[in-house]
Amino acid sequence: QQPVQSPQAVILREGEDAVINCSSSKALYSVHWYRQKHGEAPVFLMILLKGGEQKGHDKISASFNEKKQQSSLYLTASQLSYSGTYFCGTEHGGATNKLIFGTGTLLAVQP
Amino acid sequence: DAGITQSPRHKVTETGTPVTLRCHQTENHRYMYWYRQDPGHGLRLIHYSYGVKDTDKGEVSDGYSVSRSKTEDFLLTLESATSSQTSVYFCASRGGANTEAFFGQGTRLTVV
Repeated sequence: QQPVQSPQAVILREGEDAVINCSSSKALYSVHWYRQKHGEAPVFLMILLKGGEQKGHDKISASFNEKKQQSSLYLTASQLSYSGTYFCGTEHGGATNKLIFGTGTLLAVQP
Repeated sequence: DAGITQSPRHKVTETGTPVTLRCHQTENHRYMYWYRQDPGHGLRLIHYSYGVKDTDKGEVSDGYSVSRSKTEDFLLTLESATSSQTSVYFCASRGGANTEAFFGQGTRLTVV
């Protein structure tokens, strides 16, 4: 039930772009994206909701394809500070608000 | 930043002993979660709570139990610790659906 992320790891040079994908085997109610620096706690980036609403980071964009049960995170003109592990989290509806995270994507931005 | 703290931050314990980890939040958040983080597995949900005394199992709940007697506290107990439970444990909380989750700083647990 854990969402699947791809790629598992990516190395970029500063200024390059990257796309991180997240897919679920179950219908999605919303998708979250978080970034974790080494040795720190994950930090919220954005939420994408059914119907197209987005809330969060103003320099990172994402898409949510409800029919395909997929989301993609777009990192453009990457900066050194973008380095870290990115996690998608998925909600599938229901009153208990269960939040499940994926396996993570390690992003390394080099000078 | 949301006030969410975990204790202890580090713990070494012996196989077979019970261990309790505490998560405390000051945001009056209704929903709280316990995850474990292991290389290659990302964040895996152990248990979660959707209100005081309302809890449910996550994907990797075997060997763990939880309790939530107050809104602000969510306890994770390893009934009899095993080496496979060596991990970094994160607690998270949030106010409702479609809201961001805030994470504690994590507890590094080593079972020897």
